[in-house]
Amino acid sequence: GENVEQHPSTLSVQEGDSAVIKCTYSDSASNYFPWYKQELGKRPQLIIDIRSNVGEKKDQRIAVTLNKTAKHFSLHITETQPEDSAVYFCAANGGSQGNLIFGKGTKLSVKP
Amino acid sequence: NAGVMQNPRHLVRRRGQEARLRCSPMKGHSHVYWYRQLPEEGLKFMVYLQKENIIDESGMPKERFSAEFPKEGPSILRIQQVVRGDSAAYFCASSPLAVQETQYFGPGTRLLVL
Repeated sequence: GENVEQHPSTLSVQEGDSAVIKCTYSDSASNYFPWYKQELGKRPQLIIDIRSNVGEKKDQRIAVTLNKTAKHFSLHITETQPEDSAVYFCAANGGSQGNLIFGKGTKLSVKP
Repeated sequence: NAGVMQNPRHLVRRRGQEARLRCSPMKGHSHVYWYRQLPEEGLKFMVYLQKENIIDESGMPKERFSAEFPKEGPSILRIQQVVRGDSAAYFCASSPLAVQETQYFGPGTRLLVL
């Protein structure tokens, strides 16, 4: 089955710097890759997603890139702000199944 | 359009009791997924249901855990004879379709087993 690895587990940046989180997946049949942000005690909230027919997607300060050949995808946050501090999870769908397989998360801290 | 609803938000049970967690998907969504999150960890898939059907329960423990999504009413995750290791946050998510569709998460039920 699908396995998703996420790095780093913790990331600390200064306000205004960029943050990059990387994930790899194992199942070449996976075709949907969402990223979720989870604040302490809250629900995971979708921030951006990408499907396998595109290589990059951008939404304001957030971008995601996908390399299908290498089976990895990355989240890029530019001009980070303290409110970006949270745990970020990448995920991949389990091939033909609808369920998501999540990475273990990255705790991002943005220092003012 | 209300989001995914879960209740209760917090549930305390003693060892050996039963826990019932409810999830109402977003309007128009017919696919429900349950995930479990242990403290400081990621989300683990448990079960995927459509109305009146269990599609994939590969992530659910074989014993004590069951799930349903009846024709009418919310999806229910039932844990019988709870043990301390069942303490976790249980999230459900819903989507209008299955493959390549965004899953929207509910607020979760935090289960504490004493």
